[in-house]
Amino acid sequence: EVLLLESGGGLVQPGGSLRLSCATSGFSFSSYAMSWVRQAPEKGLEWVSTIRGSDDSTYYADSVKGRFTISRDHSKNTLYLQINSLGAEDTAIYYCAKAISVWSLSFDYWGQGTLVTVSS
Amino acid sequence: EIVMTQSPATLSVSPGERATLSCRASQSVRSNLAWYQQKPGQAPRLLIYGASTRATGIPARFSGSGSGTEFTLTISSLQSEDFAVYYCQHYNSWPLTFGQGTKVEIK
Repeated sequence: EVLLLESGGGLVQPGGSLRLSCATSGFSFSSYAMSWVRQAPEKGLEWVSTIRGSDDSTYYADSVKGRFTISRDHSKNTLYLQINSLGAEDTAIYYCAKAISVWSLSFDYWGQGTLVTVSS
Repeated sequence: EIVMTQSPATLSVSPGERATLSCRASQSVRSNLAWYQQKPGQAPRLLIYGASTRATGIPARFSGSGSGTEFTLTISSLQSEDFAVYYCQHYNSWPLTFGQGTKVEIK
């Protein structure tokens, strides 16, 4: 059974930092691209970042480029998102998601999400 | 950036009726298009990828069609559990983008 479990969210002041984690099991973690997708309160889905399985190349939305860093630990089957210089616009549920295959960046498994709240 | 536009924003349908949701891309995404369902308090669920391939475990009443810039998700006979928000997403190029969603509500 494929499982994705996010952690690390919480309340942070503007300008602060957090590291989100996504522990995975049930599939060959190193073989698949993994992504972060966020959802602001009562809003739609926004893709944040992807790290490829083949070569760990990384991609970011313009809204987070230079502030967020995606990474993965193959030995721990865990995905990370380091988020810095947080602003109110970053308040959202952050989901990790697994790509369905090596050639398709649709997401077949999602975690339950971790809430990041940016407020003073 | 490819902009995905979904219509309508809200669709009111009676149980047992057919629902047709549209998604338009600002430029061609070929068949690199997925549909998701999201219910309140839950993570999204993949319904369709490759524009028309049902994901594992998705009932046959869900079907996707289209290519290029125009896509459709059809729910042939709405069940009570189908009332939710539906999103399209392209994965043809970076950045990946989602549509703003269509809420399917009970009429």
